[in-house]
Amino acid sequence: EAAVTQSPRSKVAVTGGKVTLSCHQTNNHDYMYWYRQDTGHGLRLIHYSYVADSTEKGDIPDGYKASRPSQENFSLILELASLSQTAVYFCASSDSYAEQFFGPGTRLTVL
Amino acid sequence: GQQVKQSSPSLTVQEGGISILNCDYENDMFDYFAWYKKYPDNSPTLLISVRSNVDKREDGRLTVFLNKSGKHFSLHITASQPEDTAVYLCAAGEDTGYQNFYFGKGTSLTVIP
Repeated sequence: EAAVTQSPRSKVAVTGGKVTLSCHQTNNHDYMYWYRQDTGHGLRLIHYSYVADSTEKGDIPDGYKASRPSQENFSLILELASLSQTAVYFCASSDSYAEQFFGPGTRLTVL
Repeated sequence: GQQVKQSSPSLTVQEGGISILNCDYENDMFDYFAWYKKYPDNSPTLLISVRSNVDKREDGRLTVFLNKSGKHFSLHITASQPEDTAVYLCAAGEDTGYQNFYFGKGTSLTVIP
């Protein structure tokens, strides 16, 4: 079965600090994604990648960087965390347009 | 602007009834449409999807209807059960060689026993 894992599952960070969220998939999928979910919003795409060593901006990339060092791993980096980045972050993978498999989510609180 | 809209944030249905969840989209180039189910503190999981070459797809108690001219699609859940209680996210996108997929804000469905 498809498997996408995320770490950490929850994190408290201080404003201005650096945060790295990690995602690992064992699906052998080419595509990986980072979304954030906030109350009152649907899932919004931050960054995505369709091949290792390459990332693309999604709809809300400002304040975030992404890194895809291998097919299996995709990281989301907040260089200077801000209060507005408090949210739940989901990673997903897919091998086609048909279905995205989501990880369990990371709850990030920035204080 | 919001590419995919779910106008109803919540819906309550009696057990055994039909739940109808609606979604509107803006881009008439979209050719892939999906419904995801999400429990609190869990990740979304795909329920059912259709491509633009069909206007209806059934899978058990689930049916997706697609109205391309109206830029609207819906999910019908027949014989609704309490375990259907969850948030339902619609999603739509265009297969342009890269993937960009837009989600609605979700409709919270409650099925009352």
